[in-house]
Amino acid sequence: AQKVTQAQTEISVVEKEDVTLDCVYETRDTTYYLFWYKQPPSGELVFLIRRNSFDEQNEISGRYSWNFQKSTSSFNFTITASQVVDSAVYFCALSEANSGGSNYKLTFGKGTLLTVNP
Amino acid sequence: ETGVTQTPRHLVMGMTNKKSLKCEQHLGHNAMYWYKQSAKKPLELMFVYSLEERVENNSVPSRFSPECPNSSHLFLHLHTLQPEDSALYLCASSQDRAGRNTIYFGEGSWLTVV
Repeated sequence: AQKVTQAQTEISVVEKEDVTLDCVYETRDTTYYLFWYKQPPSGELVFLIRRNSFDEQNEISGRYSWNFQKSTSSFNFTITASQVVDSAVYFCALSEANSGGSNYKLTFGKGTLLTVNP
Repeated sequence: ETGVTQTPRHLVMGMTNKKSLKCEQHLGHNAMYWYKQSAKKPLELMFVYSLEERVENNSVPSRFSPECPNSSHLFLHLHTLQPEDSALYLCASSQDRAGRNTIYFGEGSWLTVV
């Protein structure tokens, strides 16, 4: 069974601090995909990144970076020089690669509430 | 601008009312979804449609009735709801149901049942 654990329920930082959001996953599949979504107070889930299980290269997009390590089943998300606008709930999610039927399943973690204070 | 739009954004309804949530996707996708997000609970998948055919119904009570008239539109018809049904209802879409595809979400409809 798939499982996604975001152990940090809430994190509070001061603007300009760096912050890392942890995500640990469990799956029996060798091919799978990992995602991060941001949910601001307005409610919309905003897609941030997708990573497949065969690509362990770290990725950087502006102030955002992701560290994927299969050895520890982790897909952590770091925000550098955090800003107040980064305040949101962040979700990590896992899906299997196979299509069709009841096999498709996107499993979300419970989310981490990040508050960036000015 | 989001590729998935939901209306209304906010809805307050009585337990005897009948209302509908509407979702439209402008991404040319073939799969659409309804998710429910309650306070302090993980996101729950309610329904999945692929090419306008319902392919998954995760034990959702019959007071929630989905409708997918075409691949761009998805409705959630609501009737005789309970206060515990108050939640954020998120519509989403993806290219197809393969796990490799990214699911894109709308802004959600905040539902309050009184």
